[in-house]
Amino acid sequence: EPEVTQTPSHQVTQMGQEVILRCVPISNHLYFYWYRQILGQKVEFLVSFYNNEISEKSEIFDDQFSVERPDGSNFTLKIRSTKLEDSAMYFCASSPTEGALTDTQYFGPGTRLTVL
Amino acid sequence: QKEVEQDPGPLSVPEGAIVSLNCTYSNSAFQYFMWYRQYSRKGPELLMYTYSSGNKEDGRFTAQVDKSSKYISLFIRDSQPSDSATYLCAMSGPGGSYIPTFGRGTSLIVHP
Repeated sequence: EPEVTQTPSHQVTQMGQEVILRCVPISNHLYFYWYRQILGQKVEFLVSFYNNEISEKSEIFDDQFSVERPDGSNFTLKIRSTKLEDSAMYFCASSPTEGALTDTQYFGPGTRLTVL
Repeated sequence: QKEVEQDPGPLSVPEGAIVSLNCTYSNSAFQYFMWYRQYSRKGPELLMYTYSSGNKEDGRFTAQVDKSSKYISLFIRDSQPSDSATYLCAMSGPGGSYIPTFGRGTSLIVHP
């Protein structure tokens, strides 16, 4: 069964450093998403991406964040200058369509980001 | 008032028990209601979704939505140890957005 993959599984970085989290969505999917989950808290939406542009973003997704689909398979989340409060699990998701039928949104296993 | 409220548990039940998981919400504009299951060190996996008030059944799982009370439930019949996971409710729909707003999740432990 096809699945969303994410690398690395755990990333440790120093405050102020840039990090890039990588995702390989399911191959025929068109919509891509990033979510984060701070330890013990809710899963929170960050951004959705379609046709090489952001289609929706939350207020969390400020100028420190950016997303890119650099080639036909990868989808990346970049945090330019990490802060302690960026420490969280980051989930990538993909779906073949965008719609109310959110059974089409498949999540990856997540990257745990630790900012020291 | 938080948009989606969910008791984090943990909820511990014996194998075979009927489990009831619940969420309340404040935004009456939510139209789509979902339940996700999340195993340790894994991403959320959609279990069920509903659009309107009422019940929806899928095997041992039943999702129930009461829009008038702003209350949703997930029932698990004949619970198994493999059901042990965190269950997240989520909802979407205000302003035509399909982006889910999640609850905190309830940790369920089914012991043999």
